[in-house]
Amino acid sequence: AQRVTQPEKLLSVFKGAPVELKCNYSYSGSPELFWYVQYSRQRLQLLLRHISRESIKGFTADLNKGETSFHLKKPFAQEEDSAMYYCALKRGGSNYKLTFGKGTLLTVNP
Amino acid sequence: EPEVTQTPSHQVTQMGQEVILRCVPISNHLYFYWYRQILGQKVEFLVSFYNNEISEKSEIFDDQFSVERPDGSNFTLKIRSTKLEDSAMYFCASSGLAAYNEQFFGPGTRLTVL
Repeated sequence: AQRVTQPEKLLSVFKGAPVELKCNYSYSGSPELFWYVQYSRQRLQLLLRHISRESIKGFTADLNKGETSFHLKKPFAQEEDSAMYYCALKRGGSNYKLTFGKGTLLTVNP
Repeated sequence: EPEVTQTPSHQVTQMGQEVILRCVPISNHLYFYWYRQILGQKVEFLVSFYNNEISEKSEIFDDQFSVERPDGSNFTLKIRSTKLEDSAMYFCASSGLAAYNEQFFGPGTRLTVL
């Protein structure tokens, strides 16, 4: 079974502070991990995925297979980063379903 | 930039009524999905569709649900006899053929069953 856990429902930081949104997963095979973001009144959109290993809007995430984690990090949060962040997992290799975590609402205060 | 569109944005219906939620996927995409999110809960997979047939479905997707691609552009989700617990945000998504293609999401349809 696939399971994604985001332990924090809410996370509040001040502008310029580092931010880390936690994600742990459970899957026996080779997963693909993603972070999706949903800004206020907008649709879900892909932020980044582990296979591309790139930094998007200053965010990075490293897949740690030993700890089964895929935490999202940004060294200096901006107010425009305030949004709902969802970690998601997919079975590797094809167009399979996404399994989402419950999401973390990030608020960046001025 | 092409986007997935969904209509209506909000649907209110009486328990027991049939509803059809409509989606227009991105035009060159071949995989189509429905997800739902009950208020306060996680986004859950319902069904995926490829080559005019269901390729994967969840336990939620029971006989009350059906999907169809009636023409070359629309992808629909039908709920035959709605229940109160079907109230949720329903998201359509589509992706291209390659294995690592991103799933692009629509804005969602909020279904309220009274």
